[in-house]
Amino acid sequence: AQTVTQSQPEMSVQEAETVTLSCTYDTSESDYYLFWYKQPPSRQMILVIRQEAYKQQNATENRFSVNFQKAAKSFSLKISDSQLGDAAMYFCAYRILQNSGYSTLTFGKGTMLLVSP
Amino acid sequence: DAGVTQSPTHLIKTRGQQVTLRCSPKSGHDTVSWYQQALGQGPQFIFQYYEEEERQRGNFPDRFSGHQFPNYSSELNVNALLLGDSALYLCASSLPGSQQYFGPGTRLTVT
Repeated sequence: AQTVTQSQPEMSVQEAETVTLSCTYDTSESDYYLFWYKQPPSRQMILVIRQEAYKQQNATENRFSVNFQKAAKSFSLKISDSQLGDAAMYFCAYRILQNSGYSTLTFGKGTMLLVSP
Repeated sequence: DAGVTQSPTHLIKTRGQQVTLRCSPKSGHDTVSWYQQALGQGPQFIFQYYEEEERQRGNFPDRFSGHQFPNYSSELNVNALLLGDSALYLCASSLPGSQQYFGPGTRLTVT
């Protein structure tokens, strides 16, 4: 079975500090995509960052960056200069492309990020 | 450009009843996926529709069914509601095999 594991149910960080959220996954596929989604109380699932498995370079989006270790099947998210607006539930997910040409997302259970002033 | 929209925002049903949730995809998207997100959990894939047919299905019972219309909008139907069906139901639209964009979800409470 393909799974995504987020071992940190909750993390806390102070404004302007840096925090890292962990994620491991299990798949036998060699070609896939990895994602971090943010879900604030408004419930809207927002894509934070994505990583193609075939790319060795770690993705970066402004204050958000990932540490992708393909051999270890690890995909952590680093948030630098944390802001109050970063407080939300964060989900790690991956997507494989089926032979049919269709794809679905498999999510972890999420990590709640708390940001304090 | 309107994003993915879902209706209703929330609703309350009684055990044994039936419910229909609706989703309009992002402009230009022809594939709709549905996910169930129980409280404190990550979303779980229910099924995916393309060209008005169910293309993939997750591990959900036949009580969960869907439909896609020619304009690519979609409905999720759940029959014989159970307490355990209480969840946030998310719709996501995309082109086949491409990035999915999520709607704001429908909160279903079964009493």
